[in-house]
Amino acid sequence: SQQGEEDPQALSIQEGENATMNCSYKTSINNLQWYRQNSGRGLVHLILIRSNEREKHSGRLRVTLDTSKKSSSLLITASRAADTASYFCASVPDSNYQLIWGAGTKLIIKP
Amino acid sequence: DTGVSQDPRHKITKRGQNVTFRCDPISEHNRLYWYRQTLGQGPEFLTYFQNEAQLEKSRLLSDRFSAERPKGSFSTLEIQRTEQGDSAMYLCASMREWVNEQFFGPGTRLTVL
Repeated sequence: SQQGEEDPQALSIQEGENATMNCSYKTSINNLQWYRQNSGRGLVHLILIRSNEREKHSGRLRVTLDTSKKSSSLLITASRAADTASYFCASVPDSNYQLIWGAGTKLIIKP
Repeated sequence: DTGVSQDPRHKITKRGQNVTFRCDPISEHNRLYWYRQTLGQGPEFLTYFQNEAQLEKSRLLSDRFSAERPKGSFSTLEIQRTEQGDSAMYLCASMREWVNEQFFGPGTRLTVL
């Protein structure tokens, strides 16, 4: 069953603004991953942050991890219409390699 | 295109019928996962294979569901006696063991009437 939670459930912003999504998880993790899913398409891996890392960047993406709060955030800077998608976090427990998914944040970028 | 393919992309069936889906992973990936996703939710783990061995099955996976990966390459997921509650997107993903990234196929959308 899903153990992750994400907020907000939906986010609508103007193109060019920054979008921040948050994720919480329950168990001790090895790493946490963020994926994007466009309407009608499969999930695409965006970025992975390990449990001993606090922040990671990839292009316009910035991910933070706070293991004491069991939470992570994904920041997309200078959003574009093409960023419109659902974003999911998936935590990977220490005990096994099985992704535990959140329910996702639906992001809409208005032109 | 991630390199993982699924067939068919859409399947409409009547309640009580059997359906089978196929997944072709990236060739050098030894792990293959099946997930189910319903609208507005994240994927739910169903089962996974390492090579041809099925190592874990979710408690969600009823006896009507069976998956195989006979030669450690492609995999099939069969649902027998389909029910309306089986309507969902069925996702397949593959990865190399110890490499922390799963590559997903486009999914098979099942509609049970």
